[in-house]
Parts: sequence; structure tokens; C-alpha cells
Amino acid sequence: QITLKESGPALVKPTQTLTVTCAFSGFSLTTPGVGVGWIRQAPGEALVWLALIYWDDDKFYRPAVKGRISVTKDASKNKVVLTLTDADPLDTATYYCAHRMRDGENSLHAFDFWGRGTLVTVSS
Amino acid sequence: SYEVTQPPSVSVSPGQTATITCSGEKLDEKYACWYQQKTGQSPVLIIYQDSRRPSGIPDRFSGSNSGDTATLTISEAQSTDEADYYCQAWDSTSQVFGGGTKLTVL
Repeated sequence: QITLKESGPALVKPTQTLTVTCAFSGFSLTTPGVGVGWIRQAPGEALVWLALIYWDDDKFYRPAVKGRISVTKDASKNKVVLTLTDADPLDTATYYCAHRMRDGENSLHAFDFWGRGTLVTVSS
Repeated sequence: SYEVTQPPSVSVSPGQTATITCSGEKLDEKYACWYQQKTGQSPVLIIYQDSRRPSGIPDRFSGSNSGDTATLTISEAQSTDEADYYCQAWDSTSQVFGGGTKLTVL
């Protein structure tokens, strides 16, 4: 059974670095084809994709935040970490991590399991 | 960058069929998927690869994708189907979500 759980600070000050951790179980980021994505949702707003990291450390980022965002994995600890520098109040959102749906090594281009999300507020 | 567009809201009477569209340039050349998100909950995948349903998703939910438009169809709509629905497409290196459609069943 695949589960994911996000954790991070509830409050971050503007210009600080926002860090959210995704702890998962039921799959391994050492398995070919496996990927974990990050999606956020500002209060009352739509889902926005941020990043995707694969088992082979291949990474993809949303162009609009590409200069501020970084995703790393610790496959041995079953964790993925999202880092967003120079936080802005517009970064206030619930941050979700999600498992990339796959068929063997082939991505099915969807997220089939999601964490509950963690709300991060950027405010002074 | 690639964009997909959804209507902000759709209404349907109980027992009727709801249709939610997702529009993007040559969308049928990219796999579309759909998520259902109820208030205060995480999104749930209900359609992937245009028309396939994950295990446990009722067959009242169906999807199609042709030309510039992907469509989510919910037949025999129920009050429990009230939710926000998001389409998502994959564009080579980026994932794109639509703005979401609020489905009201009344």
C-alpha cells in the first residue's frame, strides 16, 4: 500500500527558504520508473504542478519557479525534499507530494497516490 | 508554456449526465487525466491516459480526448459527485493542471 505524508513548517517569513519533506512508503525510489511529484494549492485556488523527481535523479521543474526551486531525494530513507528559496506570500499554499503512476518503467503521466498535504503560510 | 482551460463551473441535476471539458492545443497528442477533489481533501485520480479508470473508480466516470478537447463525463450524477474536478496534461517536461471546474449537483 502506497502512502505519502508531507511535513514542514506552518509559517515561513518572506525571503526565507521554504522546505517541505515527503515521507513515503509502499514503493522505492530506487526502482526504475518510479517518480514523486510536488503540487501546491493556494487557498481557494487551483492545483499547480511544481516539480517531479525520478528514481534516476532526473528532475523537472515548473518554469515559473525554476530559479528558486529544488527537489532532492534520499532513497534510503524513503524521503523527498522540496526547497523553495526567497519565499513570498504568494507561495502560501498547501503542498502535496504524489506518486507518479507507472506501468513498469513507463510513466503513465498521472499521480495516483497523494499525501494529505501540508499548509505553509508565508508571512511576516 | 502549455496551458489547458476548463469551465469554472458546471451544474447537473441528480441522475443526469455531467460533462466537463478541458481545452488545450493538440491536447489529443498528450495524455490527459482527471482528478476529483472534495472540500478539504486531497485530489483523487479518476481518469488517466484519456479514458482509463483506476481501480475502484465507478464506471459512471468516463473520459475521452480528441483534437483540442478532453472530456470528463459523469453519468447518473449523484450528490456525492459534488467536487472540484481538475484535468492535467503532460507536455514533454512539464505537467499542467487546468484551473478546475466546480461541479454542482442540484
